[in-house]
Amino acid sequence: DIQMTQSPSSLSAAVGHRVTITCRASQRISSYLNWYQQKPGKAPNLLIYAASSLQSGVPSRFSGSGSGTDFTLTISSLQPEDSATYYCQQSYKTPYTFGQGTKLEIK
Amino acid sequence: QVQLQESGPGLVKPSQTLSLTCTVSGGSISSGNYYWSWIRQPAGKGLEWIGRIYTSGSTTYNPSLKSRVTISEDTSKNQFSLKLSSVTAADTAMYYCARENDNLGHDRSDYWGQGTLVTVSS
Repeated sequence: DIQMTQSPSSLSAAVGHRVTITCRASQRISSYLNWYQQKPGKAPNLLIYAASSLQSGVPSRFSGSGSGTDFTLTISSLQPEDSATYYCQQSYKTPYTFGQGTKLEIK
Repeated sequence: QVQLQESGPGLVKPSQTLSLTCTVSGGSISSGNYYWSWIRQPAGKGLEWIGRIYTSGSTTYNPSLKSRVTISEDTSKNQFSLKLSSVTAADTAMYYCARENDNLGHDRSDYWGQGTLVTVSS
């Protein structure tokens, strides 16, 4: 299976700040990388697919980049509602696998 | 707007079979470049992809669960189902059904059910 490793596992940042979460794949996965946001008690919500394509309805402050093994999710100007856990997922090869999650707290 | 809703027993005894159904509304499971999948999440932990079924009925399973998993569809009811046999406490989790969108060649889960909690306990 392809292993996905996210960093950091948790972080805290203030409203308006820029936040970056990284995801590394254990082998090259081209741009087959998705990002999800999950709030407590809710299902995950797709933010970014194909590494950098913004899902319809997702605010433009969210962006993704990367290819190969290293990827980033950036929130350009943090908002209070962005408090959540973020997961990356590779869709290069089944079984599709997720990172362990990054818990984002708003200061 | 596509909606998915999981249903099934919330409590299953060890060694028995977990059975869940996902009812899809707002779109047909028989059409489009879509897979219909199951994903689970133990409390406080990460996400695990269980498997999926395509509109043709073909299935793909996670090898870690393959010997115990069956995903099937009932197109007349616009539903797909999960069966997981010989369950143990390690199978206790929130179970989600989701649509995997394969348009543009990049699979991503763009619609999810709200999830259903299954506890394995005697």
